[in-house]
Amino acid sequence: SQQGEEDPQALSIQEGENATMNCSYKTSINNLQWYRQNSGRGLVHLILIRSNEREKHSGRLRVTLDTSKKSSSLLITASRAADTASYFCATVLAGGGADGLTFGKGTHLIIQP
Amino acid sequence: EPEVTQTPSHQVTQMGQEVILRCVPISNHLYFYWYRQILGQKVEFLVSFYNNEISEKSEIFDDQFSVERPDGSNFTLKIRSTKLEDSAMYFCASTDHSYEQYFGPGTRLTVT
Repeated sequence: SQQGEEDPQALSIQEGENATMNCSYKTSINNLQWYRQNSGRGLVHLILIRSNEREKHSGRLRVTLDTSKKSSSLLITASRAADTASYFCATVLAGGGADGLTFGKGTHLIIQP
Repeated sequence: EPEVTQTPSHQVTQMGQEVILRCVPISNHLYFYWYRQILGQKVEFLVSFYNNEISEKSEIFDDQFSVERPDGSNFTLKIRSTKLEDSAMYFCASTDHSYEQYFGPGTRLTVT
């Protein structure tokens, strides 16, 4: 079974619009993190939300976490061409704060100029 | 801003050969990781390392793999006898008590 499934798999929007990506997971978690990956490059940490938090903001990013539904969303507001990348959610299982991350397959976001 | 570095950026090796991938984590970090990403697939956890020993490993991390922190700065992943299916991007990551993991740029391993 997959721990961390994002949807949609691909999303194309116009510059300036908001982009929303969703992530579902199956088991209890300690925290959930979102990462960005530009094509052929490394992963960049965006934001971490702990299991006892419901919402977190960082600049143009807003993350929500619903542990009852085992889901999270990442909202990027006022998108820019430079936001074009793949976005992954990654979870750490309950009881493990610094354990290895379990990644989903990602959402490929394309921002049309 | 401190960053995780990895060398080499690209490694080509023949099947059956040993490879060592090198990483320099962020200096004040305590937890170190290796992940791999096969082309077109998701990132997969291999192993975590804390206090000079393996703290967690995945099913992928079999006897062909080993990790080492030979000095105060380097963190290495060794694959003893490479197979074609080991071809992938290998990412090193590190974190402090905040648990936000910082990834290196990766090493692309090509096994021929």
